[in-house]
Amino acid sequence: QVTLRESGPALVKPTQTLTLTCTFSGFSLSTNGMCVSWIRQPPGKALEWLARIDWDDDKYYSTSLKTRLTISKDTSKNQVVLTMTNMDPVDTATYYCARMTTGNWFDPWGQGTLVTVSS
Amino acid sequence: DIQMTQSPSSLSASVGDRVTITCRASQSITSYLNWYQQKPGKAPKLLIYAASSLQSGVPSRFSGSGSGTDFTLTISSLQPEDFATYYCQQSYSAPWTFGQGTKVEIK
Repeated sequence: QVTLRESGPALVKPTQTLTLTCTFSGFSLSTNGMCVSWIRQPPGKALEWLARIDWDDDKYYSTSLKTRLTISKDTSKNQVVLTMTNMDPVDTATYYCARMTTGNWFDPWGQGTLVTVSS
Repeated sequence: DIQMTQSPSSLSASVGDRVTITCRASQSITSYLNWYQQKPGKAPKLLIYAASSLQSGVPSRFSGSGSGTDFTLTISSLQPEDFATYYCQQSYSAPWTFGQGTKVEIK
């Protein structure tokens, strides 16, 4: 059974850097074709894809956010880490991680973690 | 980036109704289109992948069709548990993009 779980701070201040961790089980990021993505959803709004890291360490980023995002993996710990710099109140959202495979759909998803940006 | 546009943004329907949601891509994405269901306070769940393939465990009343730029999600007979928000997502190329969502409400 594949599961993913997000963890990180619930509250960050404007201009701070957010660090989120996705801890997963049931698959390995060293397996050919395996990938993990981050997606976010502001309250009451639509889903927005942020970043992806592949088994071979290829990385992809949102066009509008790529200057602020860094994604990395620790295969031995089954973790993927996302950092987002210069946080702003508009970045308040639930942040999800999800597995992607060669079909490029997201399945399954973690439960999500709500991050509020406020001073 | 490929833009995904869903219509309608919301709809009201009754149990037993046939419901159709449309998703349009800003360029051809062949059949690289996926559908998700999201209930309040929950993570999205994959329903349909590659435009028309039903994800394991998803009821057969859900179906998807289309290719190129125009796609549809159909619920053949709406059930109480189907009231939710539905999103399309293109998997043709990075950055992967979602539609704005369609909220299906009880009439």
